[in-house]
Amino acid sequence: KQEVTQIPAALSVPEGENLVLNCSFTDSAIYNLQWFRQDPGKGLTSLLLIQSSQREQTSGRLNASLDKSSGRSTLYIAASQPGDSATYLCAVNDYKLSFGAGTTVTVRA
Amino acid sequence: GAVVSQHPSWVICKSGTSVKIECRSLDFQATTMFWYRQFPKQSLMLMATSNEGSKATYEQGVEKDKFLINHASLTLSTLTVTSAHPEDSSFYICSAHRGRSSYNEQFFGPGTRLTVL
Repeated sequence: KQEVTQIPAALSVPEGENLVLNCSFTDSAIYNLQWFRQDPGKGLTSLLLIQSSQREQTSGRLNASLDKSSGRSTLYIAASQPGDSATYLCAVNDYKLSFGAGTTVTVRA
Repeated sequence: GAVVSQHPSWVICKSGTSVKIECRSLDFQATTMFWYRQFPKQSLMLMATSNEGSKATYEQGVEKDKFLINHASLTLSTLTVTSAHPEDSSFYICSAHRGRSSYNEQFFGPGTRLTVL
């Protein structure tokens, strides 16, 4: 059974600082890994998807890396803004998606 | 493209009644849809996998007689919470694969907030 862990559970940074969010998983036989953003009381917004054959994906200020062999992914958010405040979830796809518990980010103005 | 809608976005019902939640893929055909639930401040837990034209596959611990799933077309799956109780109050989210491959990205609906009084 796939276990997905996200560290830290919560993070508070001043505006402009770079964010580093970590995700680890136990079974490396995956199709892909997705990072999502969830605002309070809302659904999921897909941020990045990394296929198992890829090592990273970038979109604007976001960059996600994947090291399948060590079971790790990292989401980097450059030059954080207050609008980046949300919960970030990673999900591992080994046919079914297994979600981590999330990292709740607060960016202070 | 790849938009998934859910209806209703929120519902309040009395204990003992049944509630139906719809999940639609608006601009693509979804052979497989997934239903998740999320308790406050917790992550998403997969409830069941719904394949068009066949019975849903439920995760361990999910009561199939309580959470009825129908996937009658390539664009619509429904989740019916039967005889709802306060402990069923949760955020229910559906997702859909575009295409048949498990490599494909899942696209998520906006969720349905169910409150059972």
